[in-house]
Amino acid sequence: DVKVTQSSRYLVKRTGEKVFLECVQDMDHENMFWYRQDPGLGLRLIYFSYDVKMKEKGDIPEGYSVSREKKERFSLILESASTNQTSMYLCASIQRGGTSSYNEQFFGPGTRLTVL
Amino acid sequence: RKEVEQDPGPFNVPEGATVAFNCTYSNSASQSFFWYRQDCRKEPKLLMSVYSSGNEDGRFTAQLNRASQYISLLIRDSKLSDSATYLCVVNPASGTYKYIFGTGTRLKVLA
Repeated sequence: DVKVTQSSRYLVKRTGEKVFLECVQDMDHENMFWYRQDPGLGLRLIYFSYDVKMKEKGDIPEGYSVSREKKERFSLILESASTNQTSMYLCASIQRGGTSSYNEQFFGPGTRLTVL
Repeated sequence: RKEVEQDPGPFNVPEGATVAFNCTYSNSASQSFFWYRQDCRKEPKLLMSVYSSGNEDGRFTAQLNRASQYISLLIRDSKLSDSATYLCVVNPASGTYKYIFGTGTRLKVLA
């Protein structure tokens, strides 16, 4: 059974703290993503990575950075958390190649982050 | 105009009813299309891809209308377990993985 896991389901942090969200997939997928999901706004792409040490900005990268040192692990970093980063954060991965246009994205269970 | 638009609902339907959702997209060059299902407080999961010729999976039928730039999802014989939010997802260009998600349509199937 394929699996994407995230380090925490719920997290409460204070404004200004540095926050690390970890994501691990066991499917040997090349591509990994970080999204945030907010009511009325849907899922928005923060960053994605198409290979180890490779990353590309998504639609809302401001205030975030990422790290991909190993193929299976993709980390999202909030350098200095702010209250407007309170959200549900979802990690996903997808296989590259083949009929790649229709490859399925597999999501982790999400991390609900609250910044006070 | 949003890149991908959905009616947020909720659609409240009785068990056994047929219900349909539409999703419009703005980029006429969009390459691939999907419906994902998201249960409350859970992650999205792929329900079905939407192919040009339309496709069916049991009680679910997906259609693509490129001329009018929309995709649809039809659910027949609704079950209580179909209650969820249905997300329309569009891949705007070949070779990219920057999927665009709609905000979702909420379905509640009532006993």
